[in-house]
Amino acid sequence: EVQLLESGGGLVQPGGSLRLSCAASGFTFISYAMSWVRQAPGKGLEWVSAISGSGGSTYYADSVKGRFTISRDNSRNTLYLQMNSLRVEDTAVYYCARARSAWHRGVDYWGQGTLVTASS
Amino acid sequence: QSALTQPASVSGSPGQSITISCTGTSSDIGNYKYVSWYQQHPGKAPKLMIYDVSDRPSGVSNRFSGSKSGNTASLTISGLQAEDEADYYCSSYTSSNTVVFGGGTKLTVL
Repeated sequence: EVQLLESGGGLVQPGGSLRLSCAASGFTFISYAMSWVRQAPGKGLEWVSAISGSGGSTYYADSVKGRFTISRDNSRNTLYLQMNSLRVEDTAVYYCARARSAWHRGVDYWGQGTLVTASS
Repeated sequence: QSALTQPASVSGSPGQSITISCTGTSSDIGNYKYVSWYQQHPGKAPKLMIYDVSDRPSGVSNRFSGSKSGNTASLTISGLQAEDEADYYCSSYTSSNTVVFGGGTKLTVL
């Protein structure tokens, strides 16, 4: 059974940093691209970032480019999102998701999400 | 990259069919066959319903179908059921090498 378990969310002051983790199990992690998608409270979904299976290619939304870094450790079956210079508008539930095939062709499994709150 | 445009809400009675539209541009929906649709119930993670414009993952009911014409993609749900009541989101690959979502549509089953 595919499982994705996010952790690392919490309250952080604007300008601060946070690192999210996503522990994957139930599939061959290195074979799949992975993504982060976020959802602000009461709002819609927003794609944040994606990474290829090898980790050699990364992709970012303009809203986070230069501030967030996606990475993965295939030996630990874990996906990461390093978030720096956080802004109030980054407040959201962050979902880790597995790409169905190529990174841009839909995601078929989602974690339960972890809440990040950027507030003073 | 602007969000794709979806109607805020649609409704239908049990057994009826409804269609949710998703309008983009020639830089996303109009130029690629990489449109996906997701269903999200309150407090739950989204679920993939359609990928590559019209393909269904295994386990998704054939009452759900997708299509595309020009810059607009559509999700049709036939034989509407109470459990279909949820939020629906479209997404598309873009020429900027990113993915963009629609604003979401709330489906109410009357």
